[in-house]
Amino acid sequence: LAKTTQPISMDSYEGQEVNITCSHNNIATNDYITWYQQFPSQGPRFIIQGYKTKVTNEVASLFIPADRKSSTLSLPRVSLSDTAVYYCLVGDRYYGNKLVFGAGTILRVKS
Amino acid sequence: EAQVTQNPRYLITVTGKKLTVTCSQNMNHEYMSWYRQDPGLGLRQIYYSMNVEVTDKGDVPEGYKVSRKEKRNFPLILESPSPNQTSLYFCASSFGGRGLAEAFFGQGTRLTVV
Repeated sequence: LAKTTQPISMDSYEGQEVNITCSHNNIATNDYITWYQQFPSQGPRFIIQGYKTKVTNEVASLFIPADRKSSTLSLPRVSLSDTAVYYCLVGDRYYGNKLVFGAGTILRVKS
Repeated sequence: EAQVTQNPRYLITVTGKKLTVTCSQNMNHEYMSWYRQDPGLGLRQIYYSMNVEVTDKGDVPEGYKVSRKEKRNFPLILESPSPNQTSLYFCASSFGGRGLAEAFFGQGTRLTVV
């Protein structure tokens, strides 16, 4: 499983766009990149998953450069309720048998 | 509503008293797994199941048992709980028997062993 590196924490203000970058230098050809969000004492919640270029859904965008050695989760116009821990995971979407969570990035949104 | 349901949400027990934490999902997912989350150690996988009657150890299986007799249920059994099993536990499920597909997590079970 590819190791991932994320910033430990980030601060932002309401209404700003937040970009959280994840480094995964050893990503394998079949690996997908997945992001989860976790609020205190709650289970992680799937945000977005991608393989290359750009993926967008109703809550976030995921940017993946051509070499796929990093990825950026973009949260548009954050609110206080986006304060959470964000995890970047890398693994084989079809044959992986576990989700390996790193330390994640603590995002604090201030008013 | 698609969901993973764990029970109980909170449990305080004494050392050595057998307990079971139940997990049930209503999405017909093949893959289910259990995690524990501890401060500074993150989420660690205990056991997982690719399908009915197919289970395997995760990273921290010692002191735990699981069974998968039905597709929807995946109980976690602590035969003789010890204080070092005090933790926040999460059950998860995903479609297709693959762990990296979108996973749905339960609300968590906070276990305290005294």
